[in-house]
Amino acid sequence: GESVGLHLPTLSVQEGDNSIINCAYSNSASDYFIWYKQESGKGPQFIIDIRSNMDKRQGQRVTVLLNKTVKHLSLQIAATQPGDSAVYFCAESRGANSKLTFGKGITLSVRP
Amino acid sequence: GAVVSQHPSRVICKSGTSVKIECRSLDFQATTMFWYRQFPKQSLMLMATSNEGSKATYEQGVEKDKFLINHASLTLSTLTVTSAHPEDSSFYICSAETGKATEAFFGQGTRLTVV
Repeated sequence: GESVGLHLPTLSVQEGDNSIINCAYSNSASDYFIWYKQESGKGPQFIIDIRSNMDKRQGQRVTVLLNKTVKHLSLQIAATQPGDSAVYFCAESRGANSKLTFGKGITLSVRP
Repeated sequence: GAVVSQHPSRVICKSGTSVKIECRSLDFQATTMFWYRQFPKQSLMLMATSNEGSKATYEQGVEKDKFLINHASLTLSTLTVTSAHPEDSSFYICSAETGKATEAFFGQGTRLTVV
């Protein structure tokens, strides 16, 4: 069936290093992708999004890359900080106001 | 960004009782609200899509008679877990969309523990 999944369950990085979190999706009809950050006991927090007509989008310290050829999405966090420690989810949808399908999630742990 | 408030943040109830969770959009009108369930160390699983003034659309495998959803206004949707059992213990999260953008705004979640 259609799915959105992540390659690694956990990622440990040194404070100050860059982090790269990867996500694979299987539905070529998906046209909107979002990265969320979830801290323990809280709801998901929007980080950055990208539409299928783009391959890169930058925010503050974060960059999302979309490779439609291989159905791959990545989130890059520059100069990772302890406050970045959380679970990160990619999500995809098909069309405006359609439901989101979430990936499995990856835990980012930042070492001081 | 828009604010979605979910209440309560934590609730403990006895097995067999019902629990109501509220999801409010504080500064915008939400044409669509979504309810998710999340087990520990797992992803969010969509339970149902709620549109104001109409019946909710439930995902496959979600019992509509057990998880009652009411979307009575453009700023409020409620999820009632009826006759709760320990296996219903989970983290329930709502999200709301404005209809003008695809971005969904999430509530802070409700930790339900059924004892």
